[in-house]
Amino acid sequence: TQLLEQSPQFLSIQEGENLTVYCNSSSVFSSLQWYRQEPGEGPVLLVTVVTGGEVKKLKRLTFQFGDARKDSSLHITAAQPGDTGLYLCAGDRNQGGKLIFGQGTELSVKP
Amino acid sequence: GAVVSQHPSWVICKSGTSVKIECRSLDFQATTMFWYRQFPKQSLMLMATSNEGSKATYEQGVEKDKFLINHASLTLSTLTVTSAHPEDSSFYICSARDRTVSNQPQHFGDGTRLSIL
Repeated sequence: TQLLEQSPQFLSIQEGENLTVYCNSSSVFSSLQWYRQEPGEGPVLLVTVVTGGEVKKLKRLTFQFGDARKDSSLHITAAQPGDTGLYLCAGDRNQGGKLIFGQGTELSVKP
Repeated sequence: GAVVSQHPSWVICKSGTSVKIECRSLDFQATTMFWYRQFPKQSLMLMATSNEGSKATYEQGVEKDKFLINHASLTLSTLTVTSAHPEDSSFYICSARDRTVSNQPQHFGDGTRLSIL
């Protein structure tokens, strides 16, 4: 059973298009983090959302935490080839710091 | 910002060899570190939680005797893959969280690519 469902798992788009990645769960999280990972490297933290309904923006990336703190989304506007990578959401349920990871979204942005 | 250093970044060795991977928090203290395994284009799979000064907590299905974890100080955890075989080949990643700051996210090392011949 996957506690944090991430979709889509694969996404191939053209430069300039918009996209949204979703992470959904039936569990409540104290916080949720989004990471981006490139091949052969560790995940790099993009943002942490803590408050239900919270919206954070990071240049062309918009992150939202659901009101009930069970789901989150990542929206990228005008995607660029440099956005290509594996995007991971991870939820914290206050279990000694353990994170629950979604399945990941492999994004490919073609020029 | 918080930095986690993982070493080595790449290991190739023969079947039957034991391999040790180090995870260090460079500018903060971490009572807890985490070890993950990752297959190509897949998400991270938590293997175990490393606790400073006590035994590691392993996830279901992870062999304790196969993957030995030692967390002897607040800045260093090691994962030893004992008698490694080709099926142990994978990307291993550690993470750590600053114990002095609440609600801190985990910071990840750059991973270790392990290839067993």
